[in-house]
Amino acid sequence: KQEVTQIPAALSVPEGENLVLNCSFTDSAIYNLQWFRQDPGKGLTSLLLIQSSQREQTSGRLNASLDKSSGRSTLYIAASQPGDSATYLCAVDTGRRALTFGSGTRLQVQP
Amino acid sequence: KAGVTQTPRYLIKTRGQQVTLSCSPISGHRSVSWYQQTPGQGLQFLFEYFSETQRNKGNFPGRFSGRQFSNSRSEMNVSTLELGDSALYLCASSLQWSGTSGSYEQYFGPGTRLTVT
Repeated sequence: KQEVTQIPAALSVPEGENLVLNCSFTDSAIYNLQWFRQDPGKGLTSLLLIQSSQREQTSGRLNASLDKSSGRSTLYIAASQPGDSATYLCAVDTGRRALTFGSGTRLQVQP
Repeated sequence: KAGVTQTPRYLIKTRGQQVTLSCSPISGHRSVSWYQQTPGQGLQFLFEYFSETQRNKGNFPGRFSGRQFSNSRSEMNVSTLELGDSALYLCASSLQWSGTSGSYEQYFGPGTRLTVT
């Protein structure tokens, strides 16, 4: 059974800092991995999707990497801003479209 | 292009009642999946629909059911509500379903917040 773990559970940084969020999964047989952002009480916003054959994806200040063999992904946020404050979730798709989610990292960026 | 829409956004029901939630996918998307999010269990997969057929099902009791219409809109029904059903119910749409080769991004709606008293 696929299990997804996200570390740290919460993170508080001053504005402008670069930061890394970590995601690990137990079964390397995945189709893709998605990073989402969730604001309090809201739905999920897709940030990046990395196919199983890819090593990384970039979108603006966000860069996500994937190491399938070690079961790890990282989300790098450059020059953090207060508007980046949210919960970040990673989810793996093992081919049955039933995403398995981590419990998330709650990020607070202090102005 | 409009995103995934869910109605209603908030619901309050009493134990034992039943409830129906609705999801309209992004135009052109044919797969709709439902998820339950609770503080204790996080996000858990309920089921996936494609072409009016349930393709995948998560580990939830039979009180949870769904359907999809020919226009890809989907409804989810929970019968005999329990206090533990209080949650944010999210639906996600995707171009293709899980049986299609390739990898397709899922796009989530804002969710329906269900409170059972």
